[in-house]
Amino acid sequence: GAVVSQHPSRVICKSGTSVKIECRSLDFQATTMFWYRQFPKKSLMLMATSNEGSKATYEQGVEKDKFLINHASLTLSTLTVTSAHPEDSSFYICSARGGTGDVETQYFGPGTRLLVL
Amino acid sequence: AQSVTQLGSHVSVSEGALVLLRCNYSSSVPPYLFWYVQYPNQGLQLLLKYTTGATLVKGINGFEAEFKKSETSFHLTKPSAHMSDAAEYFCADLNAGKSTFGDGTTLTVKP
Repeated sequence: GAVVSQHPSRVICKSGTSVKIECRSLDFQATTMFWYRQFPKKSLMLMATSNEGSKATYEQGVEKDKFLINHASLTLSTLTVTSAHPEDSSFYICSARGGTGDVETQYFGPGTRLLVL
Repeated sequence: AQSVTQLGSHVSVSEGALVLLRCNYSSSVPPYLFWYVQYPNQGLQLLLKYTTGATLVKGINGFEAEFKKSETSFHLTKPSAHMSDAAEYFCADLNAGKSTFGDGTTLTVKP
């Protein structure tokens, strides 16, 4: 199956700093990438959808100026948490869609655990 | 509005017993239904999916699910549970540009 990687897998940062998370599709071109946030014992909350070369579409209630998403190529999307605060601590998961002949399936990365002190 | 409901946030079965995880959907367009499994501190792994065609779909690790339009259901089953099946399971409808996940079901397998 298609492989999606995320980096870093875990990050600890100080309050007020910015953190960038990378999401890469390793063996297919992802026309669309998704960013989710998952709280403990909770389901996934879609934050935004991004298509290569265009602006991301954010879900209601997600601050676009705080969670900057860039989808610069068909294999890379980045999520930058700006001026992070402790309430931003969470598990962030990306997914990618667009494999040849399999345009509906989202393949998920392993997630990034963010802890803001 | 699109929604996915997983009945039972926790399911416990004995090793070797039947696994049944329930999922119902609501959608104004034909759904694209998926089951994913998540192990602790990991991402989601695709188990199986239904988009069109055969309504009984088989996935990895012996799991299968049947799409029943009349019941708006897509329940996940496995004839015999294994200890390694213990995980969180998510049902999702990924059609029409929307990503809608159920709240998840935690499967516990007792020896």
